[in-house]
Amino acid sequence: ETGVTQSPTHLIKTRGQQVTLRCSSQSGHNTVSWYQQALGQGPQFIFQYYREEENGRGNFPPRFSGLQFPNYSSELNVNALELDDSALYLCASSLDMASGGYGYTFGSGTRLTVV
Amino acid sequence: GNSVTQMEGPVTLSEEAFLTINCTYTATGYPSLFWYVQYPGEGLQLLLKATKADDKGSNKGFEATYRKETTSFHLEKGSVQVSDSAVYFCALRGPGSARQLTFGSGTQLTVLP
Repeated sequence: ETGVTQSPTHLIKTRGQQVTLRCSSQSGHNTVSWYQQALGQGPQFIFQYYREEENGRGNFPPRFSGLQFPNYSSELNVNALELDDSALYLCASSLDMASGGYGYTFGSGTRLTVV
Repeated sequence: GNSVTQMEGPVTLSEEAFLTINCTYTATGYPSLFWYVQYPGEGLQLLLKATKADDKGSNKGFEATYRKETTSFHLEKGSVQVSDSAVYFCALRGPGSARQLTFGSGTQLTVLP
């Protein structure tokens, strides 16, 4: 079975720009979560999508938004980029909401640098 | 809110040494507890888990016991190998509809031959 694929792997953007990160979930998984991992820190929960609806959100401003598509792939959009948005963005898929930490499969992440 | 405090690194050990990485948590209710490992250039992998007090999670020689009285979930391994070099994250999952994970800041482990 395929794992979680994220693209691109690296990205450099200028402050104030907008960025879209993509995630293909593991086959059969219908729930996708996004995490932000700043350098030297643990991942922070951004939000989760289940069957194309956002069903949980962490302490991130509205300029962080997302989408989930019918094939359960997902996008993370960040508007008006700030220097502090520089981080590794991790996508994790799971079989269903209840799986939570049990069934998460993480991608390798997208390294975003804002200059 | 929920939080996880991990022993700060980096930790450097010789091969076959004993490993302990401390983890304590603050949570409402009864969380599930996890250890994840991150190898260079890779995503997080679930190492082990425990869902209730006194449960012991184990995998690949690593163990951790859910101690509710001390709110701890320390990771141990009796004899580390060079291949264990990675960053280790303690995490909890509290009640709630999204079931998101709350992570500690991670501990870098380097094992020397």
